[in-house]
Amino acid sequence: QSALTQPASVSGSPGQSIAISCTGTSSDVGAYNYVSWYQQYPGKAPKLIIYEVSNRPSGVSNRFSGSKSGNTASLTISGLQAEDEADYYCYSYTTSRVPWMFGGGTKLTVL
Amino acid sequence: EEQLVESGGSLVLPGGSLRLSCAASGFSFSTYWMTWVRQAPGKGLEWVANIKPDGSVKAYVDSVRGRFTISRDNAKNSVYLQMYSLRAEDTAVYYCSTDISTALHYWGQGTLVTVSS
Repeated sequence: QSALTQPASVSGSPGQSIAISCTGTSSDVGAYNYVSWYQQYPGKAPKLIIYEVSNRPSGVSNRFSGSKSGNTASLTISGLQAEDEADYYCYSYTTSRVPWMFGGGTKLTVL
Repeated sequence: EEQLVESGGSLVLPGGSLRLSCAASGFSFSTYWMTWVRQAPGKGLEWVANIKPDGSVKAYVDSVRGRFTISRDNAKNSVYLQMYSLRAEDTAVYYCSTDISTALHYWGQGTLVTVSS
């Protein structure tokens, strides 16, 4: 069972907006609205930033937003800041024998 | 404040066994699914296993099924991962996490398991 497909890296300048895609299939991303996104700094535990496709937990900046179209989910970060430089992972429920899976991760560089 | 604290990670020989523990506090542990996630050095996150609040349903990633066992003790607010027949490819930081509304809201700091001779 392959991981969800994310770009290995994205970059942007401060103030810009970037989007990170997470492509799956009709058996995972496309099946339910159970897609979440995590931010991870080096040596630290992941942090939830988006759940159920587009919901933000309390305390997460509204610069982070999520969406989904078909089998692809997306995380958008607007007004890019230096502190956004981190790794980002999508996570989805699947209808296979293994019920959950992560994307391969995307390294965001703020130029 | 919600907190998860993992323990039990160490250096172990190939073929060896290890039991990881995760102690929860600050939330209603017995009402949530719990999940173990691992991250090999320099690699991405990998879902490993989860367990239903009452312990009656468990699921595993294919690579650990039959070698790892997830369990929980709601009286102790703890979840465990018993690992047998460890392989070099099991080397990773292991995180426990709480599944709320289909997402992993709370995370521990992780515990390092190194499988090497």
